[in-house]
Amino acid sequence: QQKVQQSPESLSVPEGGMASLNCTSSDRNFQYFWWYRQHSGEGPKALMSIFSDGDKKEGRFTAHLNKASLHVSLHIRDSQPSDSALYFCAGGDSNYQLIWGSGTKLIIKP
Amino acid sequence: EAAVTQSPRSKVAVTGGKVTLSCHQTNNHDYMYWYRQDTGHGLRLIHYSYVADSTEKGDIPDGYKASRPSQENFSLILELASLSQTAVYFCASSDTGVPDYTFGSGTRLLVI
Repeated sequence: QQKVQQSPESLSVPEGGMASLNCTSSDRNFQYFWWYRQHSGEGPKALMSIFSDGDKKEGRFTAHLNKASLHVSLHIRDSQPSDSALYFCAGGDSNYQLIWGSGTKLIIKP
Repeated sequence: EAAVTQSPRSKVAVTGGKVTLSCHQTNNHDYMYWYRQDTGHGLRLIHYSYVADSTEKGDIPDGYKASRPSQENFSLILELASLSQTAVYFCASSDTGVPDYTFGSGTRLLVI
């Protein structure tokens, strides 16, 4: 069983709408989570990290972490066509080793 | 602009042959990583290095070797390529090991 599970596998959102991506971990050793975004034909790019319970906002992106339930989410407001990509959640431990989820494919419809 | 450059961008290899994937970074980062990406599995760490002339095993090192001859260069070597090693391979670098990685564009490897 994967230690980091992402849902949904695929998500379609109208342009200007809110996209919500979810990630659940089964490993209580994770101390933080990262969100990465990968456009087709490119390598992943780091979006943001979250270490503490609650919300962290960076521009149109908001990450939310609940350590008790090991649930982390990413919300993208005012979604743009350029946000169409594969989004990865990854959990990290004290050794800075990341365990990656299998990704959520986000499609923004114009 | 700081970057991670991988070569080749794609390669077709014969089963049992030797394959070398190369990575060069201009970020002045100490840490470098090799990941493989398979559909449905996300990214999995093969080898990493935090200093030249030293490499460490990641989560799936079997069938792979790594070489870090300098801070800028990190190679992944498949001595005897197998069908199961068909995948996209990514090199990444980071400063101090904090997983704010800079990834290359990937090498698509097909073993036939």
